[in-house]
Amino acid sequence: AQTVTQSQPEMSVQEAETVTLSCTYDTSESDYYLFWYKQPPSRQMILVIRQEAYKQQNATENRFSVNFQKAAKSFSLKISDSQLGDAAMYFCAYRSRGYGNKLVFGAGTILRVKS
Amino acid sequence: GAVVSQHPSRVICKSGTSVKIECRSLDFQATTMFWYRQFPKQSLMLMATSNEGSKATYEQGVEKDKFLINHASLTLSTLTVTSAHPEDSSFYICSATLPMGGYTFGSGTRLTVV
Repeated sequence: AQTVTQSQPEMSVQEAETVTLSCTYDTSESDYYLFWYKQPPSRQMILVIRQEAYKQQNATENRFSVNFQKAAKSFSLKISDSQLGDAAMYFCAYRSRGYGNKLVFGAGTILRVKS
Repeated sequence: GAVVSQHPSRVICKSGTSVKIECRSLDFQATTMFWYRQFPKQSLMLMATSNEGSKATYEQGVEKDKFLINHASLTLSTLTVTSAHPEDSSFYICSATLPMGGYTFGSGTRLTVV
């Protein structure tokens, strides 16, 4: 079974600074998807970024980018120019390729943004 | 974008009663729906996976007779917590797979059993 590990329960960042959230995963599969989700205080799950394992290029969405290291099974999220609205719980998630497969979530990292 | 509407957002019920939570896909057909439970500051714990027209698949340790899932149509899935007890108090979230891939999540239901 696949597992996702987020080793940072909490992180803090100063507004306008950069922060990196760590995620590692364990799988025997070669083709899969990785995600970062944000859960703000409203508790609505919001997709931040998605990476397909067969793509070597790291995904980027505006201020959010990932460092995908397939051999190391590492998938970190970098948030640049942090904003107060980035404060939330962030979850790393894994999904096997194939329609309808479930997401496997990490334990989450609480990100606090200081003004 | 594809939206899943989840109701109610909050519910308080008495111990021993049943509560139904609905998740409705508004502009797409949700063939697969996932139901999660989340405790404060913790991750989402998958309870069950439901496919339209078939029985739900429950994760290990989840009581299927207590958490009844119905996915009778492509736009509606329901979770009924039967004979609720205070330990069932939690935040419940549904998620649907999208036709083009990916997922969309409901806004969650905060259940309090008193």
